[in-house]
Amino acid sequence: SQKIEQNSEALNIQEGKTATLTCNYTNYSPAYLQWYRQDPGRGPVFLLLIRENEKEKRKERLKVTFDTTLKQSLFHITASQPADSATYLCALSGGNTPLVFGKGTRLSVIA
Amino acid sequence: ETGVTQTPRHLVMGMTNKKSLKCEQHLGHNAMYWYKQSAKKPLELMFVYNFKEQTENNSVPSRFSPECPNSSHLFLHLHTLQPEDSALYLCASSQGALAGGEAGELFFGEGSRLTVL
Repeated sequence: SQKIEQNSEALNIQEGKTATLTCNYTNYSPAYLQWYRQDPGRGPVFLLLIRENEKEKRKERLKVTFDTTLKQSLFHITASQPADSATYLCALSGGNTPLVFGKGTRLSVIA
Repeated sequence: ETGVTQTPRHLVMGMTNKKSLKCEQHLGHNAMYWYKQSAKKPLELMFVYNFKEQTENNSVPSRFSPECPNSSHLFLHLHTLQPEDSALYLCASSQGALAGGEAGELFFGEGSRLTVL
């Protein structure tokens, strides 16, 4: 069956360190993958999109990689700050269906 | 401000009530979506509308009835709900329908927190 797994439900890191979140998928062949940020009681906000033919994408302190062989995306936040604390959602295109989301990883950056 | 406005933000209803959730997007997008978000579960796609036509109904119970009168407005009519329907209901819009590998991002509203007693 098709599955999207974000490896940790919660992740705690020290301020200034690099946070790395993982998204694995099975039985999908996504054309692209996206990452969203969601704060408590708010709707998700789009961060980055990476296509299947791209290895890496960067935006300010954010970096996303996409390995279609491993069926995995890594999401990095460098020089993390307490304001980066939120839930991060991985989403991928499911062929003829719109985006399919993972459960998310709740990141806490500790000062 | 994401350009997608949902009302009400909070709703408490009994199982015999009829209520509606409203979504309006000011982005000029063609596609609109309803997602359900429950604790500890991923976002579940409920309905998709593209150019006012429903293109996806993800096996949603008939007690949820969507309505899309135009590309800017989307409603979710609620009737005879169950306590397990309590969740955050999120509306989203996009420029295209994001199907068949068509890339694009979703713009979400802030959600309507529904509690069914």
